[in-house]
Amino acid sequence: QVQLVESGGGLVKPGGSLRLSCAASGFTFTDYHMSWIRQAPGKGLEWVSCISSRGSAMYYADSVKGRFAVSRDNAKNSLYLQMNSLRAEDTAVYYCARVRDIFGDPFDYWGQGTLVTVSS
Amino acid sequence: DIQMTQSPSTLSASVGDRVTITCRASQSISSWLAWYQQKPGKAPKLLIYKASNLESGVPSRFSGSGSGTEFTLTISSLQPDDFATYYCQQYNTYRYSFGQGTKLEIK
Repeated sequence: QVQLVESGGGLVKPGGSLRLSCAASGFTFTDYHMSWIRQAPGKGLEWVSCISSRGSAMYYADSVKGRFAVSRDNAKNSLYLQMNSLRAEDTAVYYCARVRDIFGDPFDYWGQGTLVTVSS
Repeated sequence: DIQMTQSPSTLSASVGDRVTITCRASQSISSWLAWYQQKPGKAPKLLIYKASNLESGVPSRFSGSGSGTEFTLTISSLQPDDFATYYCQQYNTYRYSFGQGTKLEIK
């Protein structure tokens, strides 16, 4: 069955960096586009970034553009989110998710999330 | 960017009720709308895509309709497992956006 498992979250100081990982299994990773979505504590969902199946196209929310970078390693069935210049407002649970079919489709499978806390 | 607005923010209902949640887009998104269900501490679950298409495995009591800027999610007969928060999401562009959520509570 499809599984997405995020890791790498934790406590980081403002201005710091963190790299999230998402390990995928149960499907042909190279066939699917992927995305990151976050949810601040007690708040709604916010799309963060997406990447095409081969890693050739990437998009970002304005709130993270220039600070975050999405990447993937298809040989390792893994998705990454490099987060730099972190701010308090980046505190959230970060989910990786699979794009349902074509690039730009909604997300049919989600991981359990990893919590990032930005605080001094 | 496209803004998505859901109403109501909170909805109290009883088991067996028929409920409707509305989602409005700030500009036309054709039928590029999805609905998700999220329970506390869990990841969202895709219910409906392309405004009215039921995702595999989702009970038929869930249905979606609409196009352009106004959309609805209807649950025909609420079950205990349906009490959760629901989000709409537009995917008209690669810059996805979500509604603020509707919390469905037990009356």
